[in-house]
Amino acid sequence: GDSVTQMEGPVTLSEEAFLTINCTYTATGYPSLFWYVQYPGEGLQLLLKATKADDKGSNKGFEATYRKETTSFHLEKGSVQVSDSAVYFCALSAFITQGGSEKLVFGKGTKLTVNP
Amino acid sequence: GAGVSQSPSNKVTEKGKDVELRCDPISGHTALYWYRQRLGQGLEFLIYFQGNSAPDKSGLPSDRFSAERTGESVSTLTIQRTQQEDSAVYLCASSSPGTGINNEQFFGPGTRLTVL
Repeated sequence: GDSVTQMEGPVTLSEEAFLTINCTYTATGYPSLFWYVQYPGEGLQLLLKATKADDKGSNKGFEATYRKETTSFHLEKGSVQVSDSAVYFCALSAFITQGGSEKLVFGKGTKLTVNP
Repeated sequence: GAGVSQSPSNKVTEKGKDVELRCDPISGHTALYWYRQRLGQGLEFLIYFQGNSAPDKSGLPSDRFSAERTGESVSTLTIQRTQQEDSAVYLCASSSPGTGINNEQFFGPGTRLTVL
């Protein structure tokens, strides 16, 4: 079945460091790919998404490129801030055959802590 | 309200008791999803509603789990005869009208269930 594997944390960085969180997936067909973020005490929020191969999603300085050839969607940010401390989840969309919608298949999450 | 709300935020129960978890989706969102996140795991899909019907119940882990939705609004997830392995954060999400791919799912803050 469809699955997502992401880099296990926790990850601890100093402010202004470069961030990469690796994510690879296994899927039938051509899913959309997502990064969700969960800040302390808050619900999951969509950070960025890409819907087809070679698309780049970007938001708040974060980027991820949909790489079909390597089945990857790595999250990057050039200079992290303390406020980026959160748990990051990689996810793909899996089509629900009955009902015509999609469910999300998530990785286990990566906790990022950025120190000043 | 502006977002998805869930209640209670925390629930502690004894093994063997029944629990009900509630989700209030964003007004007008016809699609509603339940996910579960056990400690150290990614989010697992449980069930999906389109309107008041549930075309996909494939993720429900056992017949102790059931869910309903009324008025194309509030949904209740019921766990009967709770077991310790049911301890998890239960997340609800809703998405905008219509079906098809790439409708963003908006998540609630979750209910943390602890079964003693």
